[in-house]
Parts: sequence; C-alpha cells; structure tokens
Amino acid sequence: EVQLVQSGAEVKKAGESLKISCKGSGYTFTDYWIVWVRQMPGKGLEWMGIIYPGDSDTRYSPAFQGQVTISADKSTSTTYLQWSSLKASDSAMYYCARHDGGLRVMYFRHWGQGSLLTVFS
Amino acid sequence: SSELTQDPAVSVALGQTVSITCLGDSLITYYASWYQQKPGQAPVLVIYGKNSRPSGIPDRFSGSSSGNTASLTITGAQAEDEADYYCHSRDSSGNQYVFGPGTKVTVL
Repeated sequence: EVQLVQSGAEVKKAGESLKISCKGSGYTFTDYWIVWVRQMPGKGLEWMGIIYPGDSDTRYSPAFQGQVTISADKSTSTTYLQWSSLKASDSAMYYCARHDGGLRVMYFRHWGQGSLLTVFS
Repeated sequence: SSELTQDPAVSVALGQTVSITCLGDSLITYYASWYQQKPGQAPVLVIYGKNSRPSGIPDRFSGSSSGNTASLTITGAQAEDEADYYCHSRDSSGNQYVFGPGTKVTVL
C-alpha cells in the first residue's frame, strides 16, 4: 500500500528555520516525483514545487522560488520542505503528494495527511 | 492569478446532476485532474485523464474535455459530495503545474 506520512504540526516564531518531511512507503521511492502543495487558511491549493528523488531534480513555482527549499533523501525515502526564515504569512497546511502519469495526463493519487504550520510574530 | 479558472460556487439538489468547469489554454494540450476536498481533510483524486476514476470513487463522478475546457460531472449528487473541487493541470508553458481556484459544491 502506497503511503505518504508527513511530520506533525509545528508552531514557530517568525525568523526561525524549519524543515518538514514526507516519508514514502509501499513503492519504489526513487521512481516517482513528489509535489508539495500549500493551502492557506480558507484558501485554495497552490502548487509549490516538485522533486524527483531519483536524482533530486527539483522545479519550483515562480511564486515559491527562493522562498523554500525542497530536497530528498533516498536512504530514508523522505522528501523535505524547508524554510530558512519563517514569516507569519507562511502559516498554512502543507501537503505532499506523489505525481503519477506522464506528460499529458498527470495526477496525484496519493497524498500525505498534511502538516499544519503556524508562525507567530 | 491562476491560469485555470473555475466558478467559485455551484449548488445542486439532492439526486440531481451538476457539472463543474475548468477553463485554461493549457487544457487544449494537457488533461485536467480533479480533486475533492472536504473540510479538514486532504484532497482526494476523483477524475484524471480523459475520464478515469481511481478505485473507490463512485461512478456518479465523470469527466470530459473539449478545447480549453475540462468538466467534472456528478450525476445523482449525494449529500456526501458537498465539498470543494479543484482542477489541476500544467500551465500554458507546460513547465509548471497549476491548480484552479476551486469550486464549492453545495448539495441542497
């Protein structure tokens, strides 16, 4: 069974750093892209970026380029989303999901449970 | 702003049919996928590709596509279908991914 298990809720102070995780199991971790998605309170889904754990090829949405870092550790089947200096506006739910399909047909069948981030100033 | 557009909200009487549309130039080239999200829950894939449903998704959910428009149809809407629905695809450059702004479906 494919599973993506994310790290727990975090409460951080503005200016602090943070790394949240998404651990994959039940499939060959290095064969599938993993995407990170933000959902701010009461708002829609926003695509942040995507990583291929096989070679750590990473693409970012222009809106998040330079704001976060996405990485992967093949040895632990884990992808990460990292901030070097949090802002209150980073408060949101963050989801990881596994990318399936190909060029014309792409979809996210498997999602993590979400990691809630609260940043206070 | 999103390169995919959706109506903010639609309502449907219990047992009736409702269609949600997603417009975007990229949909001429790429298929949309559709996600259902209920409050406090992670999104759930309901339709992808031409008209494919993951296992476990009721067959009252169907998808279609024509030109720059993708549609999700719920035939015989049930109370449990009340949720936000998001379309997703690539952007017009093909190099990025984008979600639509979402449609809130209310079942009356």
